[in-house]
Amino acid sequence: GAVVSQHPSWVICKSGTSVKIECRSLDFQATTMFWYRQFPKQSLMLMATSNEGSKATYEQGVEKDKFLINHASLTLSTLTVTSAHPEDSSFYICSATLAGGFTDTQYFGPGTRLTVL
Amino acid sequence: DQQVKQNSPSLSVQEGRISILNCDYTNSMFDYFLWYKKYPAEGPTFLISISSIKDKNEDGRFTVFLNKSAKHLSLHIVPSQPGDSAVYFCAASTPTSGSRLTFGEGTQLTVNP
Repeated sequence: GAVVSQHPSWVICKSGTSVKIECRSLDFQATTMFWYRQFPKQSLMLMATSNEGSKATYEQGVEKDKFLINHASLTLSTLTVTSAHPEDSSFYICSATLAGGFTDTQYFGPGTRLTVL
Repeated sequence: DQQVKQNSPSLSVQEGRISILNCDYTNSMFDYFLWYKKYPAEGPTFLISISSIKDKNEDGRFTVFLNKSAKHLSLHIVPSQPGDSAVYFCAASTPTSGSRLTFGEGTQLTVNP
């Protein structure tokens, strides 16, 4: 159980275009979903916390107008990278926590590799 | 400010021996710690966790030790297997951070046959 999927797994786009990444909890309801970004050989950097039905909370330094997050249901959150540029190229990972779960255990998606040309 | 640090970017051990991965933290408010394992191009998978009320938690081949006074935790894998080769991240949370985790930089473990 506790499977989280992401789509697409990889995407290549031209500079200036927007890219949407989906994160789904397949077999559980997630009260909260998180979006991370990881550069090669670096830590996972939390970008934002997303709660169903409310606005996302962004970490300091993350542009909310550039990284649009929509949490439409307890099983789906989307991250849209607007007007993508080469410096946005990265590995984006989402995670979800179980509704009513006691622990802070997060279940991670497989990640999305974004390459902006 | 890197509140969770894994000072060893890589570790290489022989199959069957013990692997010890270390993690240090600076925020004394952290009360819950987790270890995740990550293969290339995949998301991290939860391995084991420990609450600050304990100093040890064991699950099969994996044991996590917590030394609160030293703000240090370690993950022991014994015996190590080639399939354990991956990047290991430690993470921590505070009572008020909810499910928001702070991650270390990761340690690449390579277990040689």
